[in-house]
Amino acid sequence: ETGVTQTPRHLVMGMTNKKSLKCEQHLGHNAMYWYKQSAKKPLELMFVYSLEERVENNSVPSRFSPECPNSSHLFLHLHTLQPEDSALYLCASSQEVVNEQFFGPGTRLTVL
Amino acid sequence: EDQVTQSPEALRLQEGESSSLNCSYTVSGLRGLFWYRQDPGKGPEFLFTLYSAGEEKEKERLKATLTKKESFLHITAPKPEDSATYLCAVRGEYGNKLVFGAGTILRVKS
Repeated sequence: ETGVTQTPRHLVMGMTNKKSLKCEQHLGHNAMYWYKQSAKKPLELMFVYSLEERVENNSVPSRFSPECPNSSHLFLHLHTLQPEDSALYLCASSQEVVNEQFFGPGTRLTVL
Repeated sequence: EDQVTQSPEALRLQEGESSSLNCSYTVSGLRGLFWYRQDPGKGPEFLFTLYSAGEEKEKERLKATLTKKESFLHITAPKPEDSATYLCAVRGEYGNKLVFGAGTILRVKS
């Protein structure tokens, strides 16, 4: 595996389900990010982790819960989502938070 | 608050027809301007980072330039495979995040 990988690539869930998105980076970076991308809207930063500590939480509802067990892995735990949470969820990584970010392919989430 | 505005929203070109995409920004203390390319259903692909006014970077048919208020992505003699959404983002001197524009959708027809 190279670059940034995300699983699953597609996810359909009901409003009462609990699911998790997984991201793994193979670049040796020390910062990781979750973004939400909705149709015709700019990328929205959700969370930033630097050296496994959360350094940014962009007013994200508590139904989204991030976890960063080590510098290579990042999870986004989902529960009790709303239909408006349907979007492409992108993971990214960088070497230090000030440098360019490299993105994974995203998880297309649909909430019914 | 840092802001990024990209124009036009969409651009259609004939193959070989050169043009430019614009990224206007307001930021407190620019610490980097980033260009990305995004294909449908995929994550953004990093293209360039620019740090100071007057800086230029090139990659194949793409050339990015930077002034104190805007950046341009010049596309010379585009090909259909250059069709994508091009995203611009800035980092200011405060905070740990990139602020993205809404992107320009480029379509190049043969």
